[in-house]
Amino acid sequence: DQQVKQNSPSLSVQEGRISILNCDYTNSMFDYFLWYKKYPAEGPTFLISISSIKDKNEDGRFTVFLNKSAKHLSLHIVPSQPGDSAVYFCADRGMKTSYDKVIFGPGTSLSVIP
Amino acid sequence: DSGVTQTPKHLITATGQRVTLRCSPRSGDLSVYWYQQSLDQGLQFLIQYYNGEERAKGNILERFSAQQFPDLHSELNLSSLELGDSALYFCASSGGGFTEAFFGQGTRLTVV
Repeated sequence: DQQVKQNSPSLSVQEGRISILNCDYTNSMFDYFLWYKKYPAEGPTFLISISSIKDKNEDGRFTVFLNKSAKHLSLHIVPSQPGDSAVYFCADRGMKTSYDKVIFGPGTSLSVIP
Repeated sequence: DSGVTQTPKHLITATGQRVTLRCSPRSGDLSVYWYQQSLDQGLQFLIQYYNGEERAKGNILERFSAQQFPDLHSELNLSSLELGDSALYFCASSGGGFTEAFFGQGTRLTVV
């Protein structure tokens, strides 16, 4: 079965510093991953993705790195801002076809301290 | 606004009752997913429908069922409710192929 693990339930970072959120996975079918951000009382919102053909994808302050041999990915936020305080979920996108099953990790709660 | 609409936003009901949660996907999206988020828990995948057909099942209890209608909206039916069913229930939709899923704002179910 696909499994996604985020072993750090929480993380605190000073404003302006780098936030690094980690994610490990097993049995991914296509090594295509998504990161979502979730504020309290709201639905998760898509942040950034990475596919197996890349080992890095960047979007503004957010960069995701994929290490397929280690089955590990990480999300870097630089510089961190107080508005980044949220729960971050790593997700395995599943298969490439219309049959898809997105499996989420348990999430990491990020607090950016002003 | 993600374009995914869930109703109702809040629901309070008694143990043993049955409720129906509704989800309208983004225009053109054929896939609908249902997730449960209990207190302090991550998102647990329940079930996925694609163009009216069930495509994948996760940790969905037998007391729960879902369906997707010809107009692509979906309903999640929860019956014989227990206190432990209190949670946020999210619906998400995506197009076919390599696209990310977009989530609704969720339905907060409280079983008393």
